[in-house]
Amino acid sequence: SQQGEEDPQALSIQEGENATMNCSYKTSINNLQWYRQNSGRGLVHLILIRSNEREKHSGRLRVTLDTSKKSSSLLITASRAADTASYFCATGGLGGAQKLVFGQGTRLTINP
Amino acid sequence: NAGVTQTPKFQVLKTGQSMTLQCAQDMNHEYMSWYRQDPGMGLRLIHYSVGAGITDQGEVPNGYNVSRSTTEDFPLRLLSAAPSQTSVYFCASSYSHGLAGGETQYFGPGTRLLVL
Repeated sequence: SQQGEEDPQALSIQEGENATMNCSYKTSINNLQWYRQNSGRGLVHLILIRSNEREKHSGRLRVTLDTSKKSSSLLITASRAADTASYFCATGGLGGAQKLVFGQGTRLTINP
Repeated sequence: NAGVTQTPKFQVLKTGQSMTLQCAQDMNHEYMSWYRQDPGMGLRLIHYSVGAGITDQGEVPNGYNVSRSTTEDFPLRLLSAAPSQTSVYFCASSYSHGLAGGETQYFGPGTRLLVL
């Protein structure tokens, strides 16, 4: 079964607005990662946050992690049409880098 | 670097046929994994390898075999294809877990498989 549940399943906003996606998980983790998938393509790594970190930034991306609530959020600021994609959270357990468990994803559409 | 490459890009099989999906990486990564992605869902881990000669099962291993004879290659074999194996298959690789940033996975472009 999948570890992560993402909310919302789909999000449609206007270009320039901020987009927030949430991820909840069930078991203890070593790290949590966010990936982007453009339609018909492979996944691309966006950002990784470790279990002892609370917030991380990368360009227009901001990720938070609350291990007490077993949840994370991804904020994309000043969205662009090119941000249209599906976004997945993936949890890395104590078993090692190769055993990521993915959520079902949020489909983000940026309207020009 | 070519990164992670997968062949073929698309394949149609009949029920009961066997085939091998190829995956190669040129980044000298220790870890390699196979995932499947079904419509509207995230990725589910099929098999993974922590190094040449070492493989283990993931969440959905039934009907699939893997081997890792070299660091670069990690083929996925479908023994007797079934319609339930219709999916998009992704191969991924990553550095050693012990290195900073080693947990990041690099994905191939995927293989779309249709089993009739």
